[in-house]
Amino acid sequence: QQQVKQSPQSLIVQKGGISIINCAYENTAFDYFPWYQQFPGKGPALLIAIRPDVSEKKEGRFTISFNKSAKQFSLHIMDSQPGDSATYFCAAAPNAGGTSYGKLTFGQGTILTVHP
Amino acid sequence: NAGVTQTPKFQVLKTGQSMTLQCAQDMNHEYMSWYRQDPGMGLRLIHYSVGAGITDQGEVPNGYNVSRSTTEDFPLRLLSAAPSQTSVYFCASRQLAGRFNEQFFGPGTRLTVL
Repeated sequence: QQQVKQSPQSLIVQKGGISIINCAYENTAFDYFPWYQQFPGKGPALLIAIRPDVSEKKEGRFTISFNKSAKQFSLHIMDSQPGDSATYFCAAAPNAGGTSYGKLTFGQGTILTVHP
Repeated sequence: NAGVTQTPKFQVLKTGQSMTLQCAQDMNHEYMSWYRQDPGMGLRLIHYSVGAGITDQGEVPNGYNVSRSTTEDFPLRLLSAAPSQTSVYFCASRQLAGRFNEQFFGPGTRLTVL
């Protein structure tokens, strides 16, 4: 059972375009939603994260939009660059107390390719 | 700081062999965990630990053992490797206290079981 569903599986955009990756979750106990960026041969690295008390968070060219009622969140990459080519994972962690905050549930991943 | 380190980077095993994947962190993080990454499935939690002597199961624990004798180290043991355990394994760590602390991942170990 995939508790966090991510789409699309792959995405190709031109340099300067907007990349959009979507995630939907089922568990209403989730209350922390990070996005990770992974380059080939490397481990995932935190890109940006959002808490459910806000609907949007922006850091440079990266923006997370969050819709709590729809249980959906998305990553927007503005002015996409070839250096953004990587695999992106959305994730979620529950607010169930104690050690639950570290128990990330990941989406399936999106391979982003930005053509120059 | 080296962050989270993992050894080996690559490993090939035959079915039934055993091995230990090593993980160490130098950030004094209480919380450490192991994930496996498979195509089309994202990363899935295998085991985690909240401190020396304390471990618990994640989503996919079968076939794996862990122990935590020090804050720094969290090895993952495969007692009898199976082809279904072919995967890329990532170790991660974070500060335990605080809901929104960043989780740091190691570079991964690519394991192939023949």
